[in-house]
Amino acid sequence: LAKTTQPISMDSYEGQEVNITCSHNNIATNDYITWYQQFPSQGPRFIIQGYKTKVTNEVASLFIPADRKSSTLSLPRVSLSDTAVYYCLVGVNQAGTALIFGKGTTLSVSS
Amino acid sequence: EAGVAQSPRYKIIEKRQSVAFWCNPISGHATLYWYQQILGQGPKLLIQFQNNGVVDDSQLPKDRFSAERLKGVDSTLKIQPAKLEDSAVYLCASSFYRGGDRPNEQYFGPGTRLTVT
Repeated sequence: LAKTTQPISMDSYEGQEVNITCSHNNIATNDYITWYQQFPSQGPRFIIQGYKTKVTNEVASLFIPADRKSSTLSLPRVSLSDTAVYYCLVGVNQAGTALIFGKGTTLSVSS
Repeated sequence: EAGVAQSPRYKIIEKRQSVAFWCNPISGHATLYWYQQILGQGPKLLIQFQNNGVVDDSQLPKDRFSAERLKGVDSTLKIQPAKLEDSAVYLCASSFYRGGDRPNEQYFGPGTRLTVT
């Protein structure tokens, strides 16, 4: 199982771009990188997933360098509603299908 | 599309009592997961079902926790007897099963907040 390291917390202001970096030095060849978002009193929600280079969707971008030992989730022009915990997940459980959650990064967006 | 349903949303019990949680996954999702999330931590996988069979229960405290998924649809998670340290949010999630190395996107329910006094 690849272990991930991400900042415990980050602060930002509305309208700024936020980049959350996740370190996963022992990522396996077949591991994907997945990010989830969790609001208070809700279950986590899938944001984005990638294997290499760059992935973009309507919510975020995911940048993965060639060595894949880290990844960066980029949230463009954040708003107050982006205040949440963001989890970087790499590697799966012994059944090979479920992701392992760490402690995540708490993002606080202020006006 | 209806999401993952869970009930109850909140439950308060005394230690040594028993409690059960119910989950109804998204229609057509073969894989169902139960997670325990203690305040300030990320969700911890307790058990994973593929249809009605268990594929991973390595982190389920089997002396007090049990789970079943009848007919490969709904699932129940039971704790008997409960301990103070079981106070947490219990999340149910479901996903399609497509095989391969790419992890399936998991859809989570709102969770059940359990308080053991």
